[in-house]
Parts: sequence; structure tokens; C-alpha cells
Amino acid sequence: GQNIDQPTEMTATEGAIVQINCTYQTSGFNGLFWYQQHAGEAPTFLSYNVLDGLEEKGRFSSFLSRSKGYSYLLLKELQMKDSASYLCAVLDSNYQLIWGAGTKLIIKP
Amino acid sequence: EAQVTQNPRYLITVTGKKLTVTCSQNMNHEYMSWYRQDPGLGLRQIYYSMNVEVTDKGDVPEGYKVSRKEKRNFPLILESPSPNQTSLYFCASSFTPGQYNEQFFGPGTRLTVL
Repeated sequence: GQNIDQPTEMTATEGAIVQINCTYQTSGFNGLFWYQQHAGEAPTFLSYNVLDGLEEKGRFSSFLSRSKGYSYLLLKELQMKDSASYLCAVLDSNYQLIWGAGTKLIIKP
Repeated sequence: EAQVTQNPRYLITVTGKKLTVTCSQNMNHEYMSWYRQDPGLGLRQIYYSMNVEVTDKGDVPEGYKVSRKEKRNFPLILESPSPNQTSLYFCASSFTPGQYNEQFFGPGTRLTVL
């Protein structure tokens, strides 16, 4: 079966750095997405990786290793507004998105 | 403003009373889909549509129907709602389902079936 694993919850301190991991086992691979979802709101797009390596976008970076079935989202200089759930999703061989359950990130002052 | 809209945002209903949740996008997207989100389970796809008059089942289609008569609209129909369909529902759209294309989500519909 297809599976996406992420930690359920993480806690970090304002101003610090946090890394949210995602491992996947899917039928084929056509890219990996990260979305941010604030409580009670819609998910919003953060990043897309299809090649191995690191993609940097401001305070957020996303890394992919296809051979390991592994990705991480790195958030730097954490702000209180970064408190949200972070969803990892993989596009499989049929171009269907397989979603992880999400990681709830709690930022403490 | 480019957006996906859903209505209603909140709905409390009773078992067996047919309901429709509307979804509309103004970005001329070909691909639209419906998800439900339940605690601990993440987003699960109900139905999707590649284009007008083309719909297909997702992972959890039982108890739901959809139609795509126009490119912009993709309503979700619950013919006979049951309590296990209590959930948070999201409509989403993208240019195509393929690579590079982020999905744009509607604001969500919180449905409670008593």
C-alpha cells in the first residue's frame, strides 16, 4: 500500500530552527509537495520538489532524497505565526496526491 | 481575485436529508477535487474531475456523488447523509493534476450529521 509518515506533533521555540520529516512509500513518484494549514483553514502551498536536493524559499527550505523516500521541511527564524500543521503529499505514478496526516507545529515564546 | 469558493461554510443536518455543497473556481482550472479531513487521518480524496463531464472516484467515494457540467463548478452531493460523514470538506482545483501544479483550496465546509 501507499504510505506517508510524518511526526504527529512537534514543539519549537520562537526564533529557532525546526525540521519536519516526511518519509514515503508510494506507487511511483512524480513530486512531493509541502502545504501549510492553520487551524480551521484551508491548506496553502509551500513547496514542490521533484529532483534530489534542497529548495530554498525565504525562511522555508525543502529537501528531497528520492532514493531514501525522504523529505524534510526546514523552517528558520521561527515566528508565532508559523504555528500550524504541515502536510506532506506525494504525487504518485497516476498523478494522484497521497497525503500524510500532517505535523502539528507548536511555537512557544 | 483568484479563488475557490465553497458554500455553505457550516452545516448541521440530520441523517437522510439530501444536501449539496457547492464549489466554484474562477481560475479556469481543468482539475478539481473534493477531500474530507478527519483528525489523525489527513486529507482523503472523495472524487476528482479532470475536465468537464469527466469525473472519477478517489479513495473514499461511498455515499457521495459529484457532477462537472461546467468547468468552474464541482458540487458535492450527499444523497442520504449519515453521521460517519461528519467531517471537514475541502474543494480544490489546479490547472492539471500533474507535476508542478499546486492545488488551490476552498475555505472548507464543516458538516455535522446528527
